[in-house]
Amino acid sequence: DAGITQSPRHKVTETGTPVTLRCHQTENHRYMYWYRQDPGHGLRLIHYSYGVKDTDKGEVSDGYSVSRSKTEDFLLTLESATSSQTSVYFCAIKGVAANEQFFGPGTRLTVL
Amino acid sequence: AQSVTQLGSHVSVSEGALVLLRCNYSSSVPPYLFWYVQYPNQGLQLLLKYTSAATLVKGINGFEAEFKKSETSFHLTKPSAHMSDAAEYFCAVSLYNQGGKLIFGQGTELSVKP
Repeated sequence: DAGITQSPRHKVTETGTPVTLRCHQTENHRYMYWYRQDPGHGLRLIHYSYGVKDTDKGEVSDGYSVSRSKTEDFLLTLESATSSQTSVYFCAIKGVAANEQFFGPGTRLTVL
Repeated sequence: AQSVTQLGSHVSVSEGALVLLRCNYSSSVPPYLFWYVQYPNQGLQLLLKYTSAATLVKGINGFEAEFKKSETSFHLTKPSAHMSDAAEYFCAVSLYNQGGKLIFGQGTELSVKP
């Protein structure tokens, strides 16, 4: 257990509304990641962070922003949700060895 | 650019039979390679990893994988399937010094028949 929690675990929202997902870790890891999981695509990286206030884009970053104001929290924001952002979102942290990552339980987001 | 291809989105085996899940990667330099398992409605759990030490890697739950550089493959095997192995399996690749980003394959759903 890498001490990663995500909130909320489930959310239903309407198109055009802002949504913020939270990832919280308890073990002071430097690197944190947001992925989305969609059938037939595996997991795809949205954004990642390599320290407080240090973030970078991933493969599918359009329509998403992130913030990391303290080590333990990494927030993912959909400024104006669209139906194409209906997905399961996973947060991950990088362990100390060889780029291995440990994942949170996920957030299932439905945009109507 | 790195990429990962998992051959077969669905694999079905009988209980007690060999499990073979295929993964091929493309990378210009030797990568780190991983297999993750996802049980229904759960997050991903690390099964095993290749980090350029031994080419045959043993993981949890009796799974192992062999890194074959000449074939750019990292197939996952288990000699005897158990009902509890039914899950989705993901192969992933990462390069040193690229922020630890993982590139995933599309996943293979394993079904185990009694």
